[in-house]
Amino acid sequence: EPEVTQTPSHQVTQMGQEVILRCVPISNHLYFYWYRQILGQKVEFLVSFYNNEISEKSEIFDDQFSVERPDGSNFTLKIRSTKLEDSAMYFCASSEGTGRLSNQPQHFGDGTRLSIL
Amino acid sequence: GDSVTQMEGPVTLSEEAFLTINCTYTATGYPSLFWYVQYPGEGLQLLLKATKADDKGSNKGFEATYRKETTSFHLEKGSVQVSDSAVYFCALLHGGYQKVTFGIGTKLQVIP
Repeated sequence: EPEVTQTPSHQVTQMGQEVILRCVPISNHLYFYWYRQILGQKVEFLVSFYNNEISEKSEIFDDQFSVERPDGSNFTLKIRSTKLEDSAMYFCASSEGTGRLSNQPQHFGDGTRLSIL
Repeated sequence: GDSVTQMEGPVTLSEEAFLTINCTYTATGYPSLFWYVQYPGEGLQLLLKATKADDKGSNKGFEATYRKETTSFHLEKGSVQVSDSAVYFCALLHGGYQKVTFGIGTKLQVIP
């Protein structure tokens, strides 16, 4: 069964540094997403991406964050000038994007654990 | 806004016991409802879904029925196994929006 893959599985970064988290969505999917889960808290939506642009974003997704689809397969989340509170598990997801969106489950990767020191 | 409420757990059961994990939601309109499972060290896997009222989602012996009158989507399994030990997340996806709203997750531990 096709999978969403994320790299790296664990990233350790010094506060203030930039970090890029990478994802390869399922190949025929058209919608891509990033979520995060701070330890002990709920999984929270960050952003959705369709047709090479952001289609929806949460309050968390401020100017510190950006997303990009640099080629036909990768989808990246960049965090500029990381802060301690950015430490979390970051999940990438994708969905087919045809038909009624709310009927289509989002398929998640295994996540990248980001630790800011 | 949308929200999902589920018991935090942990829930500890003996093998072959009956499992219920309660989930209620708040949303306008007619969201789709999901259960995701996260096994230790792994990502979120879709377990089952229901897209309209009275739909029953089922997979791997787990079931959940979309109850609009009680705004609930409780997860059940008749006989749990040690391999079912994981964290279970109830979630909803609202038509017209693209974000999945998750519950806090319920940790299930099944002991032999």
